[in-house]
Amino acid sequence: EAGVTQFPSHSVIEKGQTVTLRCDPISGHDNLYWYRRVMGKEIKFLLHFVKESKQDESGMPNNRFLAERTGGTYSTLKVQPAELEDSGVYFCASSQNRKRGPSFFSYEQYFGPGTRLTVT
Amino acid sequence: AQSVTQLGSHVSVSEGALVLLRCNYSSSVPPYLFWYVQYPNQGLQLLLKYTTGATLVKGINGFEAEFKKSETSFHLTKPSAHMSDAAEYFCAVTLMFSGGYNKLIFGAGTRLAVHP
Repeated sequence: EAGVTQFPSHSVIEKGQTVTLRCDPISGHDNLYWYRRVMGKEIKFLLHFVKESKQDESGMPNNRFLAERTGGTYSTLKVQPAELEDSGVYFCASSQNRKRGPSFFSYEQYFGPGTRLTVT
Repeated sequence: AQSVTQLGSHVSVSEGALVLLRCNYSSSVPPYLFWYVQYPNQGLQLLLKYTTGATLVKGINGFEAEFKKSETSFHLTKPSAHMSDAAEYFCAVTLMFSGGYNKLIFGAGTRLAVHP
């Protein structure tokens, strides 16, 4: 079974340009998460999709960031226009929902290798 | 609000020595706890997790961690370090929501160096 994949692995852009990051989750995983690690800091949650719907986007830094998950499969994260402070490693993760009684739970997240974004 | 503190951004041990990476958490309700590892040029890999039940959990590559509620700790240990254990280790906490989703709150990470 293929794991979570991310593209590109590394992107170098100039301030003011646009960059789009892509994440392909594990097949069948309804939950897709984006996280970011800025140099030397902790990994921080950005947002969470359940299928194609945004469940929680409380971690998105500002409106220069736009995430989509068309058809509930792969997801893109666009940064437009990029600023210097956007540099960091962007991780994608996915997880499956498991049924427990009347509810669904999900806790084990599988991470991709990350995209290292450098804004100069 | 939940938070995670990892004591020591860098830890260095000799090959064969005990590995101890410290993690303390803050949570108003019983947490679910995780340790992830990131090897150079790779993504995050789950080492082990605590959800419910036995407080001593065993993970991959000989690592284990013990959930101590009274100390709000979830320290990661390995009896004998191997050169291949050199990596960055992240402790994380989450809550289980009835809506079926959870975001992870990470510590700042601890980089483990193993020397001969």
